[in-house]
Amino acid sequence: GENVEQHPSTLSVQEGDSAVIKCTYSDSASNYFPWYKQELGKRPQLIIDIRSNVGEKKDQRIAVTLNKTAKHFSLHITETQPEDSAVYFCAASRNSGYALNFGKGTSLLVTP
Amino acid sequence: GAVVSQHPSRVICKSGTSVKIECRSLDFQATTMFWYRQFPKKSLMLMATSNEGSKATYEQGVEKDKFLINHASLTLSTLTVTSAHPEDSSFYICSARGRDGRHPYEQYFGPGTRLTVT
Repeated sequence: GENVEQHPSTLSVQEGDSAVIKCTYSDSASNYFPWYKQELGKRPQLIIDIRSNVGEKKDQRIAVTLNKTAKHFSLHITETQPEDSAVYFCAASRNSGYALNFGKGTSLLVTP
Repeated sequence: GAVVSQHPSRVICKSGTSVKIECRSLDFQATTMFWYRQFPKKSLMLMATSNEGSKATYEQGVEKDKFLINHASLTLSTLTVTSAHPEDSSFYICSARGRDGRHPYEQYFGPGTRLTVT
């Protein structure tokens, strides 16, 4: 089955700096890669996703890059703000109907 | 986006009793629902995949007789934790995937249910 590795497990940055979280996956058939933000005690919220037919996607301060050959994808947050502090999960899955395989999560702390 | 609700949000039960958790898609029809379990400061662990009208597919290591899943309609799936024990205490989250093709990949998560077994 799919195995998703995520690094780092914790990340502390100063407000205004960039944060990068990296994930690798094992199943070459995976073609959907979402990123979720989860605040304590709340549901995961989709913040950005990318499909295998593109290499990069950007939404304001958030961007995701995908390298299908190397089987890795990354989340980039620029100009970080304290409210970006949360746990971020990457995930991978095949087509519709397949479950998401989550990474172990990255606890991001943005200090003012 | 689509809305998924879960009920109850929090439940405390005694050891040996059973607890039912409901997951509803409020404004779309969900052909597939997923049940996850999350321990504190840990990732989401897939427990089972539930397709409407058919038996759930359980992940390895998840006891199907202990965690009963029913997906009787396109808007409702239930997870029943039978004969609960303290080690079943956890945060249970469902997610739903739609059928109309607008978002063929995206999963919409419920708010989760915090189960505490005393």
